[in-house]
Amino acid sequence: EAGVAQSPRYKIIEKRQSVAFWCNPISGHATLYWYQQILGQGPKLLIQFQNNGVVDDSQLPKDRFSAERLKGVDSTLKIQPAKLEDSAVYLCASSLVGGNSNQPQHFGDGTRLSIL
Amino acid sequence: QKEVEQNSGPLSVPEGAIASLNCTYSDRVSQSFFWYRQYSGKSPELIMSIYSNGDKEDGRFTAQLNKASQYVSLLIRDSQPSDSATYLCAGGNTGKLIFGQGTTLQVKP
Repeated sequence: EAGVAQSPRYKIIEKRQSVAFWCNPISGHATLYWYQQILGQGPKLLIQFQNNGVVDDSQLPKDRFSAERLKGVDSTLKIQPAKLEDSAVYLCASSLVGGNSNQPQHFGDGTRLSIL
Repeated sequence: QKEVEQNSGPLSVPEGAIASLNCTYSDRVSQSFFWYRQYSGKSPELIMSIYSNGDKEDGRFTAQLNKASQYVSLLIRDSQPSDSATYLCAGGNTGKLIFGQGTTLQVKP
């Protein structure tokens, strides 16, 4: 079974530029998550999708971050404009179902973003 | 109180010893718990899940959950240098996982 695919693996941009990340979840997984992991901290949930609908985006900085999952499969996360504090690893995860069920989440390799 | 708390460590144990990793949680996180292992520069890898009070064993790993005291622990028996990593505790509630900051484990040969 193929795992969660993410690209790119690394990205370096200057502040105020824009950047986009892509994620393809495990086949058949209805729920997709984007996390931000700052060095030395645990992952922090940015947004959760159930199929193509948003379940939770309470911690997404909506003035600069956006995400979509138009066909209920792959997803993109965008940052525009980037700030220095956005330097982090952006992890995508997926699980079989969501809602009230706490299924294990499986993570992709992440995108390491550096803001200069 | 943070929703999921872990001691950041590092926890250092000699090879072959039992490593004990602990995690406490608040009332907002109560349904299910997961332990992830994260090697430096890598993504989190699920190693254990536990949903009810008591112990759950899988190979060298044992997860323990005590809902009355609001703590969950992970025991690693016969620790190996390859177990050196950061261990993340995560609590689930209504489909959302909240992670602790992780405990760094160092297993010394």
